[in-house]
Amino acid sequence: DAGITQSPRHKVTETGTPVTLRCHQTENHRYMYWYRQDPGHGLRLIHYSYGVKDTDKGEVSDGYSVSRSKTEDFLLTLESATSSQTSVYFCAISEARAGTGGWEQYFGPGTRLTVT
Amino acid sequence: SQKIEQNSEALNIQEGKTATLTCNYTNYSPAYLQWYRQDPGRGPVFLLLIRENEKEKRKERLKVTFDTTLKQSLFHITASQPADSATYLCAPTNQAGTALIFGKGTTLSVSS
Repeated sequence: DAGITQSPRHKVTETGTPVTLRCHQTENHRYMYWYRQDPGHGLRLIHYSYGVKDTDKGEVSDGYSVSRSKTEDFLLTLESATSSQTSVYFCAISEARAGTGGWEQYFGPGTRLTVT
Repeated sequence: SQKIEQNSEALNIQEGKTATLTCNYTNYSPAYLQWYRQDPGRGPVFLLLIRENEKEKRKERLKVTFDTTLKQSLFHITASQPADSATYLCAPTNQAGTALIFGKGTTLSVSS
C-alpha cells in the first residue's frame, strides 16, 4: 500500500446521495485505476486514467464518473448511490517500465462502501 | 466476450507440498499475464509478470508458465508454507496495459 492512500476507508450512505472517493498517490505514476470487488465477481474495472484530464471507461462504468485534475489524485464519484453499488473499491496505479513494458499494478488499501 | 477462469475456488494442501493454480482465458490474446496475491481485507499485491514470448518465469519459490496455444497460465508455489495462504488472482493484460482483466481468484490454504 506504500505510496497510495484512499479516503475514506469506510463509508455508509443512503440511496440517492452523492459519494466521492479519493485516491492519492505519491509515486508520480501516469496510470490510475478504480476497481470494485464483489463476492462472485472478483475485481472489475470501473474507470481508468492515463494522464491528467485523460480518462476512459472500464467494464462497469455505468453510474460512476471520475476526474483527475492532478497527477496524484483520482476521484471516483457516485452521482446518486444505489444499493447495487455497495462494494469494496480499490484504487491502483501503474507505470510502464522502460525496456520491460511491464504493467504491474499497485493497489491501495480499499474503501468499503455501504449504501443503505 | 473475454473470459478468465481460475480453476478451483479453493485449494487445500499440506505444508511442504507444491501448490499449482490454473488460469485459463478465452476470447483474448494478452501480451502479458500477471499474478497477484490478496490477503483478507487488503488490496492485491503484485507477484509476477510473464510476457507472451516467455514460457516460464521464476521468483524464489514461485514459478509461472504461460502457454499461449492452450491459453493457460500455471502458477506454482514450491515448498508451501502456512504464510502462503491467501487468494491468488491472475490477470491477463493487453499490450497497452489498459485492459487488465482479473480472474475471480483461487483461495489457497496451506496447513501445517
